[in-house]
Amino acid sequence: NAGVMQNPRHLVRRRGQEARLRCSPMKGHSHVYWYRQLPEEGLKFMVYLQKENIIDESGMPKERFSAEFPKEGPSILRIQQVVRGDSAAYFCASSPLESNQPQHFGDGTRLSIL
Amino acid sequence: AQSVTQLDSQVPVFEEAPVELRCNYSSSVSVYLFWYVQYPNQGLQLLLKYLSGSTLVKGINGFEAEFNKSQTSFHLRKPSVHISDTAEYFCAVRINTGGFKTIFGAGTRLFVKA
Repeated sequence: NAGVMQNPRHLVRRRGQEARLRCSPMKGHSHVYWYRQLPEEGLKFMVYLQKENIIDESGMPKERFSAEFPKEGPSILRIQQVVRGDSAAYFCASSPLESNQPQHFGDGTRLSIL
Repeated sequence: AQSVTQLDSQVPVFEEAPVELRCNYSSSVSVYLFWYVQYPNQGLQLLLKYLSGSTLVKGINGFEAEFNKSQTSFHLRKPSVHISDTAEYFCAVRINTGGFKTIFGAGTRLFVKA
């Protein structure tokens, strides 16, 4: 039973390029969450999605960041026109329909901006 | 709104000594509580969870936590730590009225010395 799969594990981009981070939830999980972790800091909530719906995007920066979870395929976190400050580890988590079940995390994508 | 406070950013301890990592939360409604562990360059792994019932919860790797409603605390304990327990530990809270958003504390870095 595969866990949450994130790819790529490492992504290097130059300033101004686009970064696309992918997340496949655990089988049977219908909820996906994205978090950002800066060095020596905790997890910051970004967005929570169900299939084809954004439920809570209160942690997403207003510009350049977007997320989707299409009917088919993985969830995508997209960062347009990346800047140095976007360098971080981005974690995806998923959970099943029942709200009392914990989130399961992927190993993250480490984004480095040159 | 819910919040989570991990009172210690770093906890150094000698191998085979007991350890307690402190977590306090604030919420106007009942919550579910979780502890996660993060090893370097990995995602978060669930250590244990409190949903209801017994206030003493046992998790993996010999860890346990006690839910104290009056003090709004959920401290994590282990009677004898190993070098391999060196990691970052995160306390998290989610409201149990059907919501899915989980709030994470800033983390406590446990450093076990030989």
